[in-house]
Parts: sequence; structure tokens; C-alpha cells
Amino acid sequence: SAVISQKPSRDICQRGTSLTIQCQVDSQVTMMFWYRQQPGQSLTLIATANQGSEATYESGFVIDKFPISRPNLTFSTLTVSNMSPEDSSIYLCSVAWTGGGEQYFGPGTRLTVT
Amino acid sequence: QQPVQSPQAVILREGEDAVINCSSSKALYSVHWYRQKHGEAPVFLMILLKGGEQKGHEKISASFNEKKQQSSLYLTASQLSYSGTYFCGTEMGNTGGFKTIFGAGTRLFVKA
Repeated sequence: SAVISQKPSRDICQRGTSLTIQCQVDSQVTMMFWYRQQPGQSLTLIATANQGSEATYESGFVIDKFPISRPNLTFSTLTVSNMSPEDSSIYLCSVAWTGGGEQYFGPGTRLTVT
Repeated sequence: QQPVQSPQAVILREGEDAVINCSSSKALYSVHWYRQKHGEAPVFLMILLKGGEQKGHEKISASFNEKKQQSSLYLTASQLSYSGTYFCGTEMGNTGGFKTIFGAGTRLFVKA
């Protein structure tokens, strides 16, 4: 397993602004993922972030809106750009050591856009 | 495509058993099971790989029928701590880019 931290844990932001969420892991991992989860709903994959390559985005998510960085094997950031109230959600990062392997999740960032 | 979980919710008394099912319309490489308690992150329970295996984890076990593209999670002699939402996650392996697609979840409530 791994110890995963996310910053910030929660934030309230104004419409039109951007927020960068950080995900830090205590060991080197191959794969990092970013998810969005509405309260009481399932987890929706935003993108896969692998070190040394561009992030792979899922249908409905674009790089201009959710730019991702993965500068090394222990860290990644997700930016939510030009926010609207529809972006209010919980954002989670997760890590895996192998493709298709079990994932370990960070505690999440609760974002509210007003 | 999102796997289908059933039931959507279940209420148990302590000590009772439950089965949660997960089915996919796509050929699967693996199935993951996670439990999420309210306000917390999902926690990994177990992974079942292509091969039709069954795994156990204390009183929680699971099976994977790759021919039917189905997995079931078995909770026996449930405890209060089992309450939470259970998600299955399906992977199609390399052809699917090694990404996990989660089902809608099954809400389990165990009462004393």
C-alpha cells in the first residue's frame, strides 16, 4: 500500500477562477489517476497520468479544462480551470504500481464553486 | 462501459450474509472491489484476475466468472464495520488502457 496526501482537503472558489490540486505519494508509483465523485455517486475517471508522457483523458474531459502534470514518480497535480458551479465535486487521486493492479486512493479534495 | 451492480442497497442485521453482484457487457481482464465509508476514500478489498478465481479476505470473499463477465462479492457473518458503499471496478487490460471503470455502487448498512 501507500500513503497518499492531497492538498487542499477542501476549498470554496469563485466562478471563473482555477484551482490546482496536489497529490503526493510516499513511494514511487507507475500510474496515477484522477477521479471525480459527486456525493453519493460513483467514481468517474478524469485522466491517467503517467510520468514521462502526456496524460490520457477520458471522454468528456479535456486538457484545457483539466490540465495535469506528472513531474516525477511521487507527485501529480490536477488543475480545474475556469470553474463553474458544475465543477463542484470531490476530486480524488489514486495510484497503482502495475497496469490493471489495485489502486490506492488519496483522501480527496472537496471543491465548492460559488 | 460502466459495469452494473446489484442490488443498489441492502440492509442487514449483524451476523447476516450478503452477496453483491457486478456484471459487464465487455470481456474483462480483472475485477476490483473497493469499500467506501461516508466521507472517506475508497479502500481496496481485493482484485480478481482473468482465470475464474475466487479469493478470500477474512469473512469477505469474491468470485470472478470471466465467461459470464460477472463477479460476486460475498460478505458472511456481517459486522457493523462492513457498512459502507461497495464498488466494483472492471478492467479490460491493455486493450482498455489499464483503466478501471467503476459501477454505481451498492450501499450496505449493517445494524445491530
